[in-house]
Amino acid sequence: DSGVTQTPKHLITATGQRVTLRCSPRSGDLSVYWYQQSLDQGLQFLIQYYNGEERAKGNILERFSAQQFPDLHSELNLSSLELGDSALYFCASSRHQRETQYFGPGTRLLVL
Amino acid sequence: EDKVVQSPLSLVVHEGDTVTLNCSYEVTNFRSLLWYKQEKKAPTFLFMLTSSGIEKKSGRLSSILDKKELFSILNITATQTGDSAVYLCAGVNYGQNFVFGPGTRLSVLP
Repeated sequence: DSGVTQTPKHLITATGQRVTLRCSPRSGDLSVYWYQQSLDQGLQFLIQYYNGEERAKGNILERFSAQQFPDLHSELNLSSLELGDSALYFCASSRHQRETQYFGPGTRLLVL
Repeated sequence: EDKVVQSPLSLVVHEGDTVTLNCSYEVTNFRSLLWYKQEKKAPTFLFMLTSSGIEKKSGRLSSILDKKELFSILNITATQTGDSAVYLCAGVNYGQNFVFGPGTRLSVLP
């Protein structure tokens, strides 16, 4: 158990819908990272926050957005969902930037 | 476009064998290379390599980075069935952008 929690564990929804994935970092970790892992694309970095501020952006679609709240938990919002958004979404946290990241168990999203 | 390539994509060995996994990268403003092990679910961190030629070791695992030739290797000696997993490498640039390779699936047979 890495200490990073993600909810929900599984999510099934329909195309065109919007969902919110939640991540609670390890106690004391200031940095949160979001990743998407699908069979065809592998693991892809989406976005990073540090102490509430966006610090790095990867292959995140415009339909996706994220934020980190004052209590350091983070949410990833996925809207206008498409079939291709079906994937495992991981959150990871680290104490500060450029330090070891600890991954959460992931949220499996299925878009029907 | 930044990319990371891993080879082989899949590897089957017997317990006790030694394996070498390869990772080559093309990452603009490269800062470091990360290795992860992914079993059933979330990746777990193995190594972060920033400097060339300095071997990092953790038990039977070791890794080294060559920044001139833009590659890294991960060695596992005396493999065990518990080493069966997908091994991912990722290049990180100074903008904190991560580019992952496709992974090497290692299967260790008893």
